[in-house]
Amino acid sequence: KAGVTQTPRYLIKTRGQQVTLSCSPISGHRSVSWYQQTPGQGLQFLFEYFSETQRNKGNFPGRFSGRQFSNSRSEMNVSTLELGDSALYLCASSPTGGRADYEQYFGPGTRLTVT
Amino acid sequence: QKEVEQNSGPLSVPEGAIASLNCTYSDRGSQSFFWYRQYSGKSPELIMFIYSNGDKEDGRFTAQLNKASQYVSLLIRDSQPSDSATYLCAVKVWGGYNKLIFGAGTRLAVHP
Repeated sequence: KAGVTQTPRYLIKTRGQQVTLSCSPISGHRSVSWYQQTPGQGLQFLFEYFSETQRNKGNFPGRFSGRQFSNSRSEMNVSTLELGDSALYLCASSPTGGRADYEQYFGPGTRLTVT
Repeated sequence: QKEVEQNSGPLSVPEGAIASLNCTYSDRGSQSFFWYRQYSGKSPELIMFIYSNGDKEDGRFTAQLNKASQYVSLLIRDSQPSDSATYLCAVKVWGGYNKLIFGAGTRLAVHP
């Protein structure tokens, strides 16, 4: 089975711009979660989508948004970029939602640099 | 108090030794626990998960969970230089669906 794919892998943007990142989960997986990883804050949960619905959201400003399509692919968008948004953005997929023992598999990530 | 705490390390062990990585969590509603390995510049890779008290073994790795003490650990037997990485402990809480709360990670260095 192919793993989680994320595009693009690297991105350089300027403050004030917006960006859209894409994630394709493992085939058959319906849950997609997004995380931000920075040296200072570590790995932090952004949001989770399941069956095209956002089920959970982390403590990030409204500039961070996402969506999921009927084929389970997901996108996240960051508007009005700030220097502090520079990070590795990781997408993780799970077979379904709710069971305690279903693990999450991470994609390679998108490295976003804001200048 | 952070929700998931790990010693940042580095934890240095000689090749062939047992590496012991520890993690404590604050939420008693935590239901399942995960260990991820992350090499520098790469994404996290799932090593093991555990949700029942006791030990769970998979090859050279053993996860141990003690819910009463709110403590989870990962033992790596016969450590190899290729095990040198950052090990992330993550917790899933009841009602959080698939939200994982991560610790800051412990850097492990295995020297020949």
